[in-house]
Amino acid sequence: SQTIHQWPATLVQPVGSPLSLECTVEGTSNPNLYWYRQAAGRGLQLLFYSVGIGQISSEVPQNLSASRPQDRQFILSSKKLLLSDSGFYLCAWSPSPQSNQPQHFGDGTRLSIL
Amino acid sequence: TQLLEQSPQFLSIQEGENLTVYCNSSSVFSSLQWYRQEPGEGPVLLVTVVTGGEVKKLKRLTFQFGDARKDSSLHITAAQPGDTGLYLCAGVVSGGGADGLTFGKGTHLIIQP
Repeated sequence: SQTIHQWPATLVQPVGSPLSLECTVEGTSNPNLYWYRQAAGRGLQLLFYSVGIGQISSEVPQNLSASRPQDRQFILSSKKLLLSDSGFYLCAWSPSPQSNQPQHFGDGTRLSIL
Repeated sequence: TQLLEQSPQFLSIQEGENLTVYCNSSSVFSSLQWYRQEPGEGPVLLVTVVTGGEVKKLKRLTFQFGDARKDSSLHITAAQPGDTGLYLCAGVVSGGGADGLTFGKGTHLIIQP
């Protein structure tokens, strides 16, 4: 069966510090991978998605970036965090091609910027 | 403008009551999914509906996809405290690609014992 792992579960970082959140999927090949941010009252905001190694599409301009160095690994990064980067970050995967397939989520990372 | 509008945003009812939450859009979706999310966790898929007019049941939960595939509802019978959570609908826009899943803001449901 497929599983998705996200870490860390919680993170407290000072403004201006770098960020690296990691997500890995097991039990499937060539998944579509997604990073979302969930803020109170705003629902899930899609940040990045990837259909293959090295292929990243960005949905919103920001100081965050994503990389997919391996088939089942998806990394969310920032060189300098802003206060507005606080939130709950979720990684998800779906079978490729998506076509009516649901997305399966990790347990999320609660990021607090001080 | 929110592509998927969920209502109500918040709902607090007593154990044993029935409830319905709605997910509406002006766009046509090739499929629609319902998720439940508990605090500090990721959303968990409950159901996927793909055919206009389709009805699916999951124990005390009944999901319906509108005939025109623009809306959906979730009905819970005899709600229990374990049903408490954030209910999210998400749709795949017709013709959408890998990024085609669009989420509503969710309905926060509290079932009081």
